[in-house]
Amino acid sequence: AQKVTQAQTEISVVEKEDVTLDCVYETRDTTYYLFWYKQPPSGELVFLIRRNSFDEQNEISGRYSWNFQKSTSSFNFTITASQVVDSAVYFCALKGNNFNKFYFGSGTKLNVKP
Amino acid sequence: DVKVTQSSRYLVKRTGEKVFLECVQDMDHENMFWYRQDPGLGLRLIYFSYDVKMKEKGDIPEGYSVSREKKERFSLILESASTNQTSMYLCASSSGLAAYYEQYFGPGTRLTVT
Repeated sequence: AQKVTQAQTEISVVEKEDVTLDCVYETRDTTYYLFWYKQPPSGELVFLIRRNSFDEQNEISGRYSWNFQKSTSSFNFTITASQVVDSAVYFCALKGNNFNKFYFGSGTKLNVKP
Repeated sequence: DVKVTQSSRYLVKRTGEKVFLECVQDMDHENMFWYRQDPGLGLRLIYFSYDVKMKEKGDIPEGYSVSREKKERFSLILESASTNQTSMYLCASSSGLAAYYEQYFGPGTRLTVT
């Protein structure tokens, strides 16, 4: 079975704080891909990053960083020095051998207060 | 830029009406998807299509049907709208050529059934 769990329903931080969004996944596929999407208040989901199951290197892009650990089946997302514009709902997603289908977590709503 | 467009941002319909939600993508993608998004439930897949005239049920197909007569267009049909179908509907597309391709999303249609 494929499943993505985002246990944090909502997080509130004050601007400039660091925040980590957790993502835990389940899959029996040996090859799979993990994704993060951002959904700002406007509604449209925006792709942020993709990771394949063979690449456990962490990635940093500006204030964003991602920590992929197969041993714990986690793909966590950290925002450093958060800004008000980071306020959004963030979704983690999994795609396995059936590469027509994505499995989304329930999302984490991030509120960044000035 | 990949563009996924949806026919309406907001729609209000009456119970029992037949409702059509249209989605068009301009990137020649093989795969197209319809999701509904409800608070606390994340994105739930209704139907997807991996080719013209091909469709597969997702996790919650009851009460919905779809049509894909042309590659760029994927329609979601509510045969007889009910109040429990009030939701945000998101269309997405992705290339089917390889597993690593991400999905691109439209802006969403917020449907209210009264």
